[in-house]
Amino acid sequence: AQRVTQPEKLLSVFKGAPVELKCNYSYSGSPELFWYVQYSRQRLQLLLRHISRESIKGFTADLNKGETSFHLKKPFAQEEDSAMYYCALIRGNQFYFGTGTSLTVIP
Amino acid sequence: DAGVTQSPTHLIKTRGQHVTLRCSPISGHKSVSWYQQVLGQGPQFIFQYYEKEERGRGNFPDRFSARQFPNYSSELNVNALLLGDSALYLCASSLGRTGMTYEQYFGPGTRLTVT
Repeated sequence: AQRVTQPEKLLSVFKGAPVELKCNYSYSGSPELFWYVQYSRQRLQLLLRHISRESIKGFTADLNKGETSFHLKKPFAQEEDSAMYYCALIRGNQFYFGTGTSLTVIP
Repeated sequence: DAGVTQSPTHLIKTRGQHVTLRCSPISGHKSVSWYQQVLGQGPQFIFQYYEKEERGRGNFPDRFSARQFPNYSSELNVNALLLGDSALYLCASSLGRTGMTYEQYFGPGTRLTVT
């Protein structure tokens, strides 16, 4: 079975502090992982995907197969980063989402 | 383009009734996926349709069905509604079959309340 676990439902950090949103997965094959974000009153949207190895809005995520993790990181949090973040895994045509982490950046 | 649109935005139904939710994808997108999001949870995959054929199905009972029309719009049908079907139903569209190549774009969702 494929599972995506986000252990923190809520996370608060101060502006300018580093932030890390945790994501662990269980999957027997080669995972394809994503981070989605939902800002207040906006639609769910793709933030980044592991295969692109890109940095979006200062966020990066590294796939660690040994620890089966795909944590999302940003060195300096901004107030506009406050949002709901979902880690997701795809197998075939099916997406599996985690339960989400609500990030609040305190001014 | 207004992006993915869904109708209605809100809906209240009684247990045992039937409901139809509608989704219009972004112009040019041929794939539509449906998700159920219960309060406090992440979206759960229900169906994916591509080129009017079902390409994926999540772990939902047969009371849930869907179809895609020649213009690539889609309907999600739920029969014999249960209280547990109360949720936000999200539609997402993509150019091709959802995966690493094609990004999926989400609609605003339909909020279904079953009483």
